[in-house]
Amino acid sequence: DTAVSQTPKYLVTQMGNDKSIKCEQNLGHDTMYWYKQDSKKFLKIMFSYNNKELIINETVPNRFSPKSPDKAHLNLHINSLELGDSAVYFCASSPSGAGNTIYFGEGSWLTVV
Amino acid sequence: AQSVTQLDSHVSVSEGTPVLLRCNYSSSYSPSLFWYVQHPNKGLQLLLKYTSAATLVKGINGFEAEFKKSETSFHLTKPSAHMSDAAEYFCVVSGGSSYKLIFGSGTRLLVRP
Repeated sequence: DTAVSQTPKYLVTQMGNDKSIKCEQNLGHDTMYWYKQDSKKFLKIMFSYNNKELIINETVPNRFSPKSPDKAHLNLHINSLELGDSAVYFCASSPSGAGNTIYFGEGSWLTVV
Repeated sequence: AQSVTQLDSHVSVSEGTPVLLRCNYSSSYSPSLFWYVQHPNKGLQLLLKYTSAATLVKGINGFEAEFKKSETSFHLTKPSAHMSDAAEYFCVVSGGSSYKLIFGSGTRLLVRP
């Protein structure tokens, strides 16, 4: 029973392509997130949704567009991929409220060539 | 504003010896503090969490951390290292009304046989 699952786990694609990463959680949480981990292992939040409403939108290029069809799903769509988008993208979820434990998925390794 | 500093980028210990991973935080609020572990090519797993209930927090796999407000520290310790402890460890802070986790830069723990 995977709590936070994301697909695909590995993705290699060419510059300029459009790709999506899907995420689902079965924990009953109201809040979901996308985090990005760069090549130096640094982790930074990109987006957060609470009950399908966007509550955090960090300084992220508008080529990145999150979509939350329901509170159990938060997908990440990336247009016109660039070399610098290569990273590990982590989906996560938590109960509503600041300071709650955030549970992470296994990560999606994106390589742009 | 919140921030977290992990004082060592790499820590190397021999199997069976104690582990100390250092973390200092800065927060305008009463913080929630976490330690997460990331094994190679894996997602992030919660080791332990501090939320003001007790200053000494016990986590999984024999790890514990002590919250010291006077020193603004939240160091992670384990009495005896195991080979399976080799991984990247992240100290994390959140607090106030923010849903965001602020990650430290990580400490890579190496365990020598």
